Amino acid sequence: GENVEQHPSTLSVQEGDSAVIKCTYSDSASNYFPWYKQELGKRPQLIIDIRSNVGEKKDQRIAVTLNKTAKHFSLHITETQPEDSAVYFCAALGSGTYKYIFGTGTRLKVLA
Amino acid sequence: DTGVSQDPRHKITKRGQNVTFRCDPISEHNRLYWYRQTLGQGPEFLTYFQNEAQLEKSRLLSDRFSAERPKGSFSTLEIQRTEQGDSAMYLCASSSKVGLAGSFEQFFGPGTRLTVL
Repeated sequence: GENVEQHPSTLSVQEGDSAVIKCTYSDSASNYFPWYKQELGKRPQLIIDIRSNVGEKKDQRIAVTLNKTAKHFSLHITETQPEDSAVYFCAALGSGTYKYIFGTGTRLKVLA
Repeated sequence: DTGVSQDPRHKITKRGQNVTFRCDPISEHNRLYWYRQTLGQGPEFLTYFQNEAQLEKSRLLSDRFSAERPKGSFSTLEIQRTEQGDSAMYLCASSSKVGLAGSFEQFFGPGTRLTVL
């Protein structure tokens, strides 16, 4: 069945350093890959997304890259700040369905 | 507030009782999703609707769970004969009609936290 693996499960970085979170998906027909940030006790919020016809997308300090051949995509956060501390989830949307499969999450801690 | 809303925000119940949750999506959104999230895990897909039609349901979902969206607007999720393992956050999300240039983005509600004693 469909599966999305996410690594690492926890990540600690010093303020100002970069953070990278990686996801691998199983359904080669997946065509949309969002990333969500979830702060403690709050709802997931979309921070960036990418479609399968694009290899990279950037929005200020956040970027996502997609490698369709390898079936993996990554979130890159540069110049991390304490307010970036949260749990980040990747997800994949299959073609022909509107069912999203989520990764297990990465707890990012940015140390001041 | 024009976002996705859920009611109640918290529910404590005793094992064996039935519970029902409500989700009001963003008004022009035609897709509505239910997820379950336990501590330290990602949202787990339960079911989704396009308008009033329930198009997919998780194979892992027990027959104690049922969802409806009778008029294609709000949705309800009912859990019958609750078990302690049902304790989780139940999240609802909605998304817009997708065209060639449409958005796939999902907007989440605040969730209903269920505790089964």
